[in-house]
Amino acid sequence: DIVMTQSPDSLAVSLGERATINCKSSQSIFYNPNNKNYLAWYQQKPGQPPKLLISWASTRESGVPDRFSGSGSGTHFTLTISSLQAEDVAVYYCHQYYSARTFGQGTKVEV
Amino acid sequence: EVQLLESGGGLVQPGGSLRLSCVASGFTFSSYAMSWVRQAPGKGLEWVSGIGGSGDITYYADSVKGRSTISRDNSRSTLFLQMNSLRAEDTAIYYCNYFDSSGSGVLDYWGQGVLVTVSS
Repeated sequence: DIVMTQSPDSLAVSLGERATINCKSSQSIFYNPNNKNYLAWYQQKPGQPPKLLISWASTRESGVPDRFSGSGSGTHFTLTISSLQAEDVAVYYCHQYYSARTFGQGTKVEV
Repeated sequence: EVQLLESGGGLVQPGGSLRLSCVASGFTFSSYAMSWVRQAPGKGLEWVSGIGGSGDITYYADSVKGRSTISRDNSRSTLFLQMNSLRAEDTAIYYCNYFDSSGSGVLDYWGQGVLVTVSS
Protein backbone atom coordinates (compact mmCIF):
# COMPACT_ATOMS: atom_id res chain seq x y z
CA ASP A 1 0.00 0.00 0.00
CA ILE A 2 1.14 3.54 -0.72
CA VAL A 3 1.61 5.53 2.48
CA MET A 4 1.06 9.28 2.38
CA THR A 5 2.85 11.39 4.99
CA GLN A 6 2.04 15.05 5.52
CA SER A 7 4.01 17.71 7.32
CA PRO A 8 3.46 19.54 9.53
CA ASP A 9 0.56 18.06 11.49
CA SER A 10 -0.62 21.57 12.33
CA LEU A 11 0.20 25.05 11.18
CA ALA A 12 -0.61 28.48 12.59
CA VAL A 13 -0.52 31.26 10.02
CA SER A 14 -1.45 34.93 10.26
CA LEU A 15 -4.20 36.21 8.00
CA GLY A 16 -2.74 37.28 4.69
CA GLU A 17 0.38 35.15 5.13
CA ARG A 18 1.44 32.07 3.19
CA ALA A 19 0.69 28.53 4.33
CA THR A 20 2.63 25.59 2.97
CA ILE A 21 1.77 21.93 3.47
CA ASN A 22 3.99 19.09 2.33
CA CYS A 23 3.04 15.57 1.35
CA LYS A 24 5.30 12.64 0.63
CA SER A 25 4.29 9.32 -0.89
CA SER A 26 6.08 6.06 -0.12
CA GLN A 27 6.44 5.38 -3.84
CA SER A 28 6.12 7.41 -7.00
CA ILE A 29 2.58 8.26 -8.02
CA PHE A 30 3.60 9.60 -11.38
CA TYR A 31 2.28 7.66 -14.36
CA ASN A 32 4.57 8.05 -17.36
CA PRO A 33 2.14 7.12 -20.17
CA ASN A 34 -0.09 10.13 -19.45
CA ASN A 35 2.48 12.29 -17.67
CA LYS A 36 0.25 12.75 -14.63
CA ASN A 37 0.70 12.63 -10.89
CA TYR A 38 -2.22 10.88 -9.21
CA LEU A 39 -2.38 13.28 -6.28
CA ALA A 40 -5.26 15.33 -4.94
CA TRP A 41 -5.70 17.83 -2.12
CA TYR A 42 -8.84 18.11 0.00
CA GLN A 43 -10.10 20.68 2.46
CA GLN A 44 -12.36 19.61 5.30
CA LYS A 45 -14.22 21.85 7.71
CA PRO A 46 -15.94 20.58 10.87
CA GLY A 47 -19.15 18.70 10.27
CA GLN A 48 -18.68 18.60 6.50
CA PRO A 49 -17.44 16.01 4.03
CA PRO A 50 -14.11 16.78 2.35
CA LYS A 51 -14.00 19.18 -0.56
CA LEU A 52 -11.71 18.54 -3.51
CA LEU A 53 -9.41 21.50 -4.13
CA ILE A 54 -6.76 20.18 -6.49
CA SER A 55 -6.36 17.10 -8.65
CA TRP A 56 -3.46 15.79 -10.75
CA ALA A 57 -1.15 17.51 -8.23
CA SER A 58 -1.68 20.99 -9.65
CA THR A 59 -5.09 21.34 -11.35
CA ARG A 60 -7.37 23.59 -9.34
CA GLU A 61 -11.01 22.52 -9.32
CA SER A 62 -13.69 24.83 -10.61
CA GLY A 63 -14.60 27.51 -8.10
CA VAL A 64 -11.49 27.06 -5.94
CA PRO A 65 -9.81 30.42 -5.28
CA ASP A 66 -6.52 30.95 -7.05
CA ARG A 67 -4.73 31.50 -3.74
CA PHE A 68 -4.67 27.69 -3.55
CA SER A 69 -1.98 26.03 -5.64
CA GLY A 70 -0.43 22.58 -5.84
CA SER A 71 2.99 21.54 -7.00
CA GLY A 72 5.40 18.64 -7.00
CA SER A 73 5.94 15.38 -8.82
CA GLY A 74 6.87 11.78 -8.18
CA THR A 75 6.90 11.45 -4.40
CA HIS A 76 6.99 15.01 -3.05
CA PHE A 77 4.10 17.44 -3.26
CA THR A 78 3.10 20.79 -1.81
CA LEU A 79 -0.13 22.67 -1.24
CA THR A 80 0.31 26.42 -0.91
CA ILE A 81 -2.24 28.95 0.26
CA SER A 82 -0.69 32.19 -0.88
CA SER A 83 -2.61 34.58 1.38
CA LEU A 84 -4.55 32.88 4.16
CA GLN A 85 -8.13 33.98 4.64
CA ALA A 86 -10.28 33.28 7.69
CA GLU A 87 -12.43 30.86 5.71
CA ASP A 88 -9.35 28.72 4.93
CA VAL A 89 -9.12 27.49 8.52
CA ALA A 90 -9.63 23.76 8.05
CA VAL A 91 -7.88 20.42 7.88
CA TYR A 92 -6.15 19.63 4.60
CA TYR A 93 -5.48 16.14 3.27
CA CYS A 94 -3.37 14.87 0.43
CA HIS A 95 -4.71 11.82 -1.36
CA GLN A 96 -3.20 9.39 -3.85
CA TYR A 97 -5.34 7.58 -6.39
CA TYR A 98 -2.52 5.87 -8.29
CA SER A 99 -2.95 2.49 -6.60
CA ALA A 100 -6.14 1.90 -4.65
CA ARG A 101 -6.59 5.08 -2.60
CA THR A 102 -4.94 6.43 0.54
CA PHE A 103 -4.97 9.71 2.41
CA GLY A 104 -2.38 11.58 4.37
CA GLN A 105 -2.99 12.05 8.08
CA GLY A 106 -4.12 15.63 7.65
CA THR A 107 -2.73 19.07 8.44
CA LYS A 108 -4.73 21.45 10.60
CA VAL A 109 -4.41 25.07 9.50
CA GLU A 110 -5.23 27.68 12.12
CA VAL A 111 -4.91 31.42 12.46
CA GLU B 1 -27.27 17.12 -9.63
CA VAL B 2 -25.34 14.26 -8.10
CA GLN B 3 -26.67 13.08 -4.76
CA LEU B 4 -25.43 10.33 -2.47
CA LEU B 5 -27.58 9.40 0.50
CA GLU B 6 -26.23 7.00 3.10
CA SER B 7 -28.25 5.04 5.63
CA GLY B 8 -27.93 2.07 7.94
CA GLY B 9 -25.68 3.48 10.63
CA GLY B 10 -26.27 3.25 14.33
CA LEU B 11 -25.11 1.73 17.59
CA VAL B 12 -23.90 -1.86 17.48
CA GLN B 13 -22.16 -4.04 20.02
CA PRO B 14 -18.62 -5.29 19.51
CA GLY B 15 -18.69 -8.40 17.37
CA GLY B 16 -21.93 -7.35 15.73
CA SER B 17 -22.81 -6.61 12.14
CA LEU B 18 -24.18 -3.69 10.19
CA ARG B 19 -25.08 -3.03 6.56
CA LEU B 20 -24.64 0.45 5.17
CA SER B 21 -26.44 1.62 2.05
CA CYS B 22 -25.89 4.55 -0.29
CA VAL B 23 -28.49 5.52 -2.84
CA ALA B 24 -27.05 7.48 -5.75
CA SER B 25 -28.74 9.78 -8.24
CA GLY B 26 -27.80 12.30 -10.89
CA PHE B 27 -25.30 10.20 -12.80
CA THR B 28 -25.05 6.84 -14.57
CA PHE B 29 -24.33 4.80 -11.46
CA SER B 30 -23.39 1.56 -13.23
CA SER B 31 -20.62 3.27 -15.20
CA TYR B 32 -18.50 4.30 -12.25
CA ALA B 33 -16.50 2.86 -9.41
CA MET B 34 -17.67 3.74 -5.93
CA SER B 35 -15.98 3.80 -2.55
CA TRP B 36 -16.56 3.98 1.17
CA VAL B 37 -14.35 6.35 3.17
CA ARG B 38 -14.54 6.62 6.94
CA GLN B 39 -13.47 9.09 9.58
CA ALA B 40 -13.14 8.17 13.23
CA PRO B 41 -14.10 10.90 15.71
CA GLY B 42 -11.44 13.61 15.65
CA LYS B 43 -9.28 11.61 13.25
CA GLY B 44 -8.35 11.70 9.57
CA LEU B 45 -9.85 10.18 6.46
CA GLU B 46 -9.43 6.48 5.77
CA TRP B 47 -10.39 4.89 2.45
CA VAL B 48 -12.13 1.64 3.38
CA SER B 49 -13.30 -0.12 0.25
CA GLY B 50 -13.97 0.34 -3.46
CA ILE B 51 -15.89 -1.47 -6.16
CA GLY B 52 -15.84 -1.31 -9.95
CA GLY B 53 -18.84 -0.20 -11.96
CA SER B 54 -20.01 -3.69 -12.78
CA GLY B 55 -19.25 -4.99 -9.31
CA ASP B 56 -16.72 -7.53 -10.48
CA ILE B 57 -13.69 -5.88 -8.91
CA THR B 58 -13.47 -5.01 -5.24
CA TYR B 59 -10.78 -3.51 -3.04
CA TYR B 60 -10.39 -3.32 0.72
CA ALA B 61 -8.15 -1.59 3.20
CA ASP B 62 -6.24 -4.00 5.40
CA SER B 63 -8.14 -2.68 8.42
CA VAL B 64 -11.44 -4.17 7.18
CA LYS B 65 -10.31 -6.97 4.87
CA GLY B 66 -11.99 -10.24 5.74
CA ARG B 67 -14.63 -8.51 7.87
CA SER B 68 -16.36 -6.34 5.30
CA THR B 69 -17.97 -6.86 1.91
CA ILE B 70 -18.70 -4.11 -0.58
CA SER B 71 -21.37 -4.68 -3.19
CA ARG B 72 -23.73 -2.77 -5.45
CA ASP B 73 -27.13 -3.09 -7.05
CA ASN B 74 -26.95 -1.14 -10.28
CA SER B 75 -30.66 -1.63 -10.96
CA ARG B 76 -31.35 0.39 -7.79
CA SER B 77 -28.28 2.69 -8.02
CA THR B 78 -27.33 1.55 -4.55
CA LEU B 79 -23.98 0.84 -2.94
CA PHE B 80 -23.63 -1.36 0.12
CA LEU B 81 -21.07 -2.12 2.79
CA GLN B 82 -21.65 -5.18 4.94
CA MET B 83 -19.54 -4.98 8.06
CA ASN B 84 -19.10 -7.97 10.37
CA SER B 85 -17.13 -8.64 13.55
CA LEU B 86 -17.25 -4.96 14.35
CA ARG B 87 -14.70 -3.49 16.73
CA ALA B 88 -14.53 -0.26 18.72
CA GLU B 89 -12.01 1.07 16.21
CA ASP B 90 -14.63 0.79 13.47
CA THR B 91 -16.52 3.65 15.13
CA ALA B 92 -16.60 6.39 12.53
CA ILE B 93 -18.60 8.44 10.10
CA TYR B 94 -18.82 6.43 6.89
CA TYR B 95 -18.99 8.40 3.67
CA CYS B 96 -20.15 7.14 0.32
CA ASN B 97 -17.84 8.55 -2.35
CA TYR B 98 -18.05 8.73 -6.12
CA PHE B 99 -14.55 9.43 -7.37
CA ASP B 100 -13.61 9.09 -11.00
CA SER B 101 -10.23 9.88 -12.53
CA SER B 102 -10.71 8.07 -15.82
CA GLY B 103 -11.16 11.26 -17.82
CA SER B 104 -8.97 14.30 -18.16
CA GLY B 105 -10.50 15.73 -15.01
CA VAL B 106 -11.54 14.26 -11.71
CA LEU B 107 -15.13 13.84 -10.56
CA ASP B 108 -15.61 13.73 -6.82
CA TYR B 109 -18.84 13.63 -4.86
CA TRP B 110 -19.54 12.77 -1.23
CA GLY B 111 -22.58 11.93 0.80
CA GLN B 112 -23.14 13.59 4.15
CA GLY B 113 -22.02 10.46 5.96
CA VAL B 114 -23.58 8.03 8.38
CA LEU B 115 -22.35 7.41 11.92
CA VAL B 116 -21.46 3.92 13.08
CA THR B 117 -20.81 3.50 16.79
CA VAL B 118 -19.43 0.23 18.10
CA SER B 119 -19.86 0.05 21.84
CA SER B 120 -21.28 -2.16 24.54
